[in-house]
Amino acid sequence: EVVLTQSPGTLSLSPGERATLSCRASQSVNSRYLGWYHQKPGQAPRLLMYASSYRATGIPDRFSGSGSGTDFTLTINRLEPEDLGVYYCQQYGSSITFGQGTRLEIK
Amino acid sequence: QVQLVESGGGLVKPGGSLRLSCAVSGFTFKDYYMSWIRQAPGKGLEWISYISTSGSEVSYADSLRGRFSISRDNSKNSLYLQINSLRTEDTAMYYCARAITVTNLFDYWGRGTLVTVSS
Repeated sequence: EVVLTQSPGTLSLSPGERATLSCRASQSVNSRYLGWYHQKPGQAPRLLMYASSYRATGIPDRFSGSGSGTDFTLTINRLEPEDLGVYYCQQYGSSITFGQGTRLEIK
Repeated sequence: QVQLVESGGGLVKPGGSLRLSCAVSGFTFKDYYMSWIRQAPGKGLEWISYISTSGSEVSYADSLRGRFSISRDNSKNSLYLQINSLRTEDTAMYYCARAITVTNLFDYWGRGTLVTVSS
């Protein structure tokens, strides 16, 4: 099973700043099968990025994804208050696993 | 618009069983892989199982294999999850989700149904 480790655990930033979230895999992941999700409190997760770097429908271009192999990054530019919540990476290989999440707080 | 609506959750005693349902609309259900994912209170996301378009292929998380059974009825646009021998650690919100073709990344989620296992 591929273990995804996300860092940092918590990020506290101000509106307008940039957030950089990391997702590291215990073994190589096909970037076509790497996604990122955002979960606001009390809501279901929402797909942000698929195939590592493609934005899902309706996701603004403030969000971008990159990476390959075992290291993937989600970058959020010009933070807005609505970006608060928990961000998860997820991979599909022989099985499906999620990272443990990064909590983003907006000051 | 795409909608996924879970039902069947509730309070159940340890050792009991539940069958969760997910009714979908707004897309051609038989064309998509589907999954169940759960989230314990205050915890992260845990994938449970996926099922192929026809139901001929299923997969389960290794740690959950044996007590969970996924199925679908394409004529009823519905997905199911049977959970047996429930344990207190199965207490969670259970989500159904649609997978982007081939990738098993999830582009639509339901709002979830809460399962509480307690005596």
